[in-house]
Amino acid sequence: RKEVEQDPGPFNVPEGATVAFNCTYSNSASQSFFWYRQDCRKEPKLLMSVYSSGNEDGRFTAQLNRASQYISLLIRDSKLSDSATYLCVVNAESNTGKLIFGQGTTLQVKP
Amino acid sequence: DAGVIQSPRHEVTEMGQEVTLRCKPISGHDYLFWYRQTMMRGLELLIYFNNNVPIDDSGMPEDRFSAKMPNASFSTLKIQPSEPRDSAVYFCASSLRPAGAPEAFFGQGTRLTVV
Repeated sequence: RKEVEQDPGPFNVPEGATVAFNCTYSNSASQSFFWYRQDCRKEPKLLMSVYSSGNEDGRFTAQLNRASQYISLLIRDSKLSDSATYLCVVNAESNTGKLIFGQGTTLQVKP
Repeated sequence: DAGVIQSPRHEVTEMGQEVTLRCKPISGHDYLFWYRQTMMRGLELLIYFNNNVPIDDSGMPEDRFSAKMPNASFSTLKIQPSEPRDSAVYFCASSLRPAGAPEAFFGQGTRLTVV
């Protein structure tokens, strides 16, 4: 079983739609959680951290369920520029900075 | 700061040749990571260093792969001999000593093609 699992998609949605991505992780000792965004043929970049209480950044909402080892990302009012691959990332060892990436979920927003 | 710098950006080589990928992390960052990305396997962590010391190389696929970090501003990933299945995008990333939620900054990657 992979340490971090995501539905690879692709998710094809119209502009303005709300879309949700899910992710599960296997190591219950994992400490920190993130969503990264990767544009086509570019490097991954941090989108947002995920906190236990859930957190929001504009149109983006991230949630964490430690009991179920589940992370989610909700994008509201999707824009064409949101088209990218979204990577779920887990820091399983809090003192090392070691980041494990999911395979990514591809989002395509259509006009 | 210019960010994480990788070279070359693209490399095409013949099977059996030695390939060396280079990385300059962000100044002051304590951690350096090498990742490999393919369509089939996604982003895989190959090895990471803390203060120039290799900490975990369990992701290195086999003995043909080796990585060094001779100083805080330079790291190499070497493949010898290279094989077609090594074709992938290789990313280097760096981060500060973790304090809560460390962000990793990635270089632009080296796209390796072994023919």
